[in-house]
Amino acid sequence: QKEVEQNSGPLSVPEGAIASLNCTYSDRGSQSFFWYRQYSGKSPELIMFIYSNGDKEDGRFTAQLNKASQYVSLLIRDSQPSDSATYLCAVRGSNYQLIWGAGTKLIIKP
Amino acid sequence: SAVISQKPSRDICQRGTSLTIQCQVDSQVTMMFWYRQQPGQSLTLIATANQGSEATYESGFVIDKFPISRPNLTFSTLTVSNMSPEDSSIYLCSGLDSDGYTFGSGTRLTVV
Repeated sequence: QKEVEQNSGPLSVPEGAIASLNCTYSDRGSQSFFWYRQYSGKSPELIMFIYSNGDKEDGRFTAQLNKASQYVSLLIRDSQPSDSATYLCAVRGSNYQLIWGAGTKLIIKP
Repeated sequence: SAVISQKPSRDICQRGTSLTIQCQVDSQVTMMFWYRQQPGQSLTLIATANQGSEATYESGFVIDKFPISRPNLTFSTLTVSNMSPEDSSIYLCSGLDSDGYTFGSGTRLTVV
């Protein structure tokens, strides 16, 4: 059974600090990794995807992938109260379906 | 990326009845996925829908309960049949195109 693990939180971070969200996956052959943000009552929205080892930056967001350790993370710099949401890690499976983690609830405290 | 319009946004249904959820995409998507999401939980894949072929269902989900249609590359429906209160959930469709995966706005279903 292919699995994606996330700490469900909640993770509480002061406004302006860096929020670090982590995800591990069980299938060593996985190639594509996604971070989604989901506000309460809304559908998931894509923040970033990453395919290659290393870092990928987009504005305040940085995704980090380490395939050897089967670990993907999302850093949010200068956290804002509007970043408070549930962050979902997903890994693409062999049939293009996404395998989802449980999600981490992030709370940014003003 | 594609924009998906999902209808209805919410409904309250009597047990034993059926509800059909529609997703219309503004551009062609290669694959569509149907999910269920309980409050506070992650997404559970129901099935993958490909044009012109029968949907592929995940373990625990069967075609008689969740029939799916995918007549073309821009439209799909999911029917929740013979509903019971346990079917109360949020149902989401998702499409895959060259820009990645996008989601409909969801259908909040309550079965009474």
